[in-house]
Amino acid sequence: TQLLEQSPQFLSIQEGENLTVYCNSSSVFSSLQWYRQEPGEGPVLLVTVVTGGEVKKLKRLTFQFGDARKDSSLHITAAQPGDTGLYLCAGAENTDKLIFGTGTRLQVFP
Amino acid sequence: AAGVIQSPRHLIKEKRETATLKCYPISRHDTVYWYQQGPGQDPQFLISFYEKMQSDKGSIPDRFSAQQFSDYHSELNMSSLELGDSALYFCASIDQTYNEQFFGPGTRLTVL
Repeated sequence: TQLLEQSPQFLSIQEGENLTVYCNSSSVFSSLQWYRQEPGEGPVLLVTVVTGGEVKKLKRLTFQFGDARKDSSLHITAAQPGDTGLYLCAGAENTDKLIFGTGTRLQVFP
Repeated sequence: AAGVIQSPRHLIKEKRETATLKCYPISRHDTVYWYQQGPGQDPQFLISFYEKMQSDKGSIPDRFSAQQFSDYHSELNMSSLELGDSALYFCASIDQTYNEQFFGPGTRLTVL
């Protein structure tokens, strides 16, 4: 069973700062998804990346899939308190079953 | 368009009781996945269905069973509940075009 490791595990920053979250594995994924989860709610899909080297932008969020499709990063520019939450990466190998990363809990202070 | 619907949202049971959780996927999605998320943990895959047939199985206890019906909704049946079954249970339905999973709001099960 492959493991998706996220770093950092916790991140507390001030409003306006930039941050990067990393998601790493020794396995190759056919696709990788990033989710954001609020306490007691279901994960909300942010983006799906499928091609090695792919970069996708969603407003202030930039997602990158590694060339070898084993790792990914999420970069947030000028973080806002509304960005606070649990960020999960999840990879799909040969099946649709998602393997979730260990999660990054982000807190943005005003 | 409506998202994934789960019911109930909250459920309180006692040890050794049974529980049934329901999931209604997004319209035209024929694949449903169930996940269990313990406190402070990431979601763990339990079981999945495609076109009413079980397609994959994860770390689902033998006390649990699930099925998918002709209208593609799915039910997770849990028997002989244990304290350790207390968790958030999510179902997700899949857009096969992009292999994207969309999660429901979850059912919070508390076993006393």
